[in-house]
Amino acid sequence: AQSVTQLGSHVSVSEGALVLLRCNYSSSVPPYLFWYVQYPNQGLQLLLKYTSAATLVKGINGFEAEFKKSETSFHLTKPSAHMSDAAEYFCAVSDGAKGGSQGNLIFGKGTKLSVKP
Amino acid sequence: EAQVTQNPRYLITVTGKKLTVTCSQNMNHEYMSWYRQDPGLGLRQIYYSMNVEVTDKGDVPEGYKVSRKEKRNFPLILESPSPNQTSLYFCASSRRLAGAIRNEQFFGPGTRLTVL
Repeated sequence: AQSVTQLGSHVSVSEGALVLLRCNYSSSVPPYLFWYVQYPNQGLQLLLKYTSAATLVKGINGFEAEFKKSETSFHLTKPSAHMSDAAEYFCAVSDGAKGGSQGNLIFGKGTKLSVKP
Repeated sequence: EAQVTQNPRYLITVTGKKLTVTCSQNMNHEYMSWYRQDPGLGLRQIYYSMNVEVTDKGDVPEGYKVSRKEKRNFPLILESPSPNQTSLYFCASSRRLAGAIRNEQFFGPGTRLTVL
């Protein structure tokens, strides 16, 4: 069964510093992977997704993630943090890659990003 | 504007009083789902629906019911709410391609439910 582990429930960076949010997945088949962002008091919004095309995926707001099959990882990065990046970030894997399955999303527990001035 | 709407956004109720949270999407999506979000636990799926009249249990279905009579609507029903159902609830929808989901899920704004 698919699963997702996000390392670090809280990450704090200074404005302008590199953002690195870690996500490892477990899947018996090539996965579809997603990063979602949740701003305070809002729903989830898609940042980016990997669906077996390019391994380096670029998303919105300057974020990108690299799919590394050998490490079963899909870490999210941004070169320079802005105050507006403060939010909770969720990594998710879809079981849709099994073909004919429900294609449900399995979410990690989330990482809350704080950005210090 | 493409969106998923939920109502109400906030609800405080008492144990045992039946309630319904509505969810509607205007994107003609086949797939719809309900999640609950609790601190430290992330999002957990309650129920999902692959299409009209097709629903199935997610990871935490106990105490909830759903129905999918129309493609656009997917209400969540709590027949006898209990305090452990106090949570933030999200509805989501997605296209469904060739029997599997490859596209993103679109989320509603959330419903914060408190059961006293």
